[in-house]
Amino acid sequence: GENVEQHPSTLSVQEGDSAVIKCTYSDSASNYFPWYKQELGKRPQLIIDIRSNVGEKKDQRIAVTLNKTAKHFSLHITETQPEDSAVYFCAASKSSGGYQKVTFGTGTKLQVIP
Amino acid sequence: EADIYQTPRYLVIGTGKKITLECSQTMGHDKMYWYQQDPGMELHLIHYSYGVNSTEKGDLSSESTVSRIRTEHFPLTLESARPSHTSQYLCASSEPVQGQYEQYFGPGTRLTVT
Repeated sequence: GENVEQHPSTLSVQEGDSAVIKCTYSDSASNYFPWYKQELGKRPQLIIDIRSNVGEKKDQRIAVTLNKTAKHFSLHITETQPEDSAVYFCAASKSSGGYQKVTFGTGTKLQVIP
Repeated sequence: EADIYQTPRYLVIGTGKKITLECSQTMGHDKMYWYQQDPGMELHLIHYSYGVNSTEKGDLSSESTVSRIRTEHFPLTLESARPSHTSQYLCASSEPVQGQYEQYFGPGTRLTVT
């Protein structure tokens, strides 16, 4: 089955600096890679995703890159703000017909220091 | 408003009690999921359903059971709660968007078994 590894497990950055979270996956059939943000005591929410036919996607201060050959993808947050502090989960998913299998990474706790 | 709801949000019960965690969604999604998560930690899939009368066990073995009699309702039952069941339980649903499935999470039920 799919195995998703996520690093680092914790990350502290100064406000305004950039943060990078990296994930690797094992199943070459995975074709969809969402990122979820979970604030303390709240539900995970999708913040950005990327499909396997795209190498990079950007949404304001957030960007995700995908290297299919190396089977790794990364989340980049620029100009970090205190409200970016949360746990971030990557995931790898494959869908075929009506079947979907999502495997989550172990999470990265990001702390942005004001 | 279309959303996914979970009740109760918090539950403290004694060992041996039978409990049912409720999950309902008003988005018309066919696919629903239950995850177990210790606060800020990894998401473990324990059950999923592709539609009415369809239920499957997830990656993490669980003593809980689920049912899916109606599209919008996916309750989880523990016949005899134990302290090891203390955790947060997140319900989710998904639908295909351009062939990929974005998961929407409920607010979670935090269960404590004494």
